Amino acid sequence: NAGVTQTPKFQVLKTGQSMTLQCAQDMNHEYMSWYRQDPGMGLRLIHYSVGAGITDQGEVPNGYNVSRSTTEDFPLRLLSAAPSQTSVYFCATQGGNTIYFGEGSWLTVV
Amino acid sequence: EDQVTQSPEALRLQEGESSSLNCSYTVSGLRGLFWYRQDPGKGPEFLFTLYSAGEEKEKERLKATLTKKESFLHITAPKPEDSATYLCAVEDGGFKTIFGAGTRLFVKA
Repeated sequence: NAGVTQTPKFQVLKTGQSMTLQCAQDMNHEYMSWYRQDPGMGLRLIHYSVGAGITDQGEVPNGYNVSRSTTEDFPLRLLSAAPSQTSVYFCATQGGNTIYFGEGSWLTVV
Repeated sequence: EDQVTQSPEALRLQEGESSSLNCSYTVSGLRGLFWYRQDPGKGPEFLFTLYSAGEEKEKERLKATLTKKESFLHITAPKPEDSATYLCAVEDGGFKTIFGAGTRLFVKA
């Protein structure tokens, strides 16, 4: 039972490059979300989705794009990476009243 | 605007020394308040959900309580393995979940 799977675990990007963080879940949850975690700032919501075909912005959506074509997958795209996007990214699903997090993706933009 | 503030930022305890972590919040239409534990290099792990003022939940040495403006995570006789960052979050009426910055707990043997 994998739960929430994120790839890659670590990534180094150059400023201006684009990339996609992958997130897949096998719990059949409708609600999925992406957070970034920075020292001293806690987890901040980037984008979320309440079901396939539906996405919405969170607190810090600028520079990121998402899509939700299936229940299982919720990729996060960085359009043109900037050093300010250096962070740890967590994908999550919510079933009932519990949020389940992936193991995180460490991204460094140089 | 929804806001979650946790205090203290860091807490150092001796093994067996009980204490409490605070989470104060402002939210439009509280659907639930969550507590999570996060170990270094890992994703947050669910502990509790509280829904209404007066509610309490317990798990081993942890007890979470909720009032209309804040929540407390009480730690009774902590052990070194309780060392972690504890995160508080609230879900608002629009299905957004907002997290606090967390309290880093260190328990020394």
